[in-house]
Amino acid sequence: GAVVSQHPSRVICKSGTSVKIECRSLDFQATTMFWYRQFPKQSLMLMATSNEGSKATYEQGVEKDKFLINHASLTLSTLTVTSAHPEDSSFYICSASFSGGSYNEQFFGPGTRLTVL
Amino acid sequence: GIQVEQSPPDLILQEGANSTLRCNFSDSVNNLQWFHQNPWGQLINLFYIPSGTKQNGRLSATTVATERYSLLYISSSQTTDSGVYFCAVEGNSNDYKLSFGAGTTVTVRA
Repeated sequence: GAVVSQHPSRVICKSGTSVKIECRSLDFQATTMFWYRQFPKQSLMLMATSNEGSKATYEQGVEKDKFLINHASLTLSTLTVTSAHPEDSSFYICSASFSGGSYNEQFFGPGTRLTVL
Repeated sequence: GIQVEQSPPDLILQEGANSTLRCNFSDSVNNLQWFHQNPWGQLINLFYIPSGTKQNGRLSATTVATERYSLLYISSSQTTDSGVYFCAVEGNSNDYKLSFGAGTTVTVRA
């Protein structure tokens, strides 16, 4: 159980276009999902927290107008990179929180590799 | 925010060897997780271990929350154990956010 999917797994786009990435919890409901970015040879950096039915909260330094997050249901969150530029090229990973009481375990999607030309 | 330090940064093992990875954190935590990131980038949950000791096959982990550290043990290492191991902690602010360490890159040679 506790499977999280991401789509697409890889995307190449031209500078200035927008890219949407979907994150789904397949076998559990997740009121909270997270979006991370990982550059080569580095750790994961949290970008934003996605809460079902409310606005996302962004970490310091992350532009909310550039990285649009929508958490429309308990199993789906989307990240849209608007007007992508080469510096946005990275590995984007989502996670879904499986929680109850004090228990909170995050499960991660397989990631989306974005290349902006 | 909470600081997470992992050591060593790199580890090269001969197949069959045992090893210990360490994770230190700067404040009390609600939760702690260990992950293995495979070569394709997928993070695989190894342990959810805010305290105590757990074992799963050749892997085991111990978290001593009062002393703010966790250890991951790999026994009889195999080439498939290669990859990056991350420790991540959730502080006590109840926001479910995980802070990741820099990771330990493990290379197991046949």
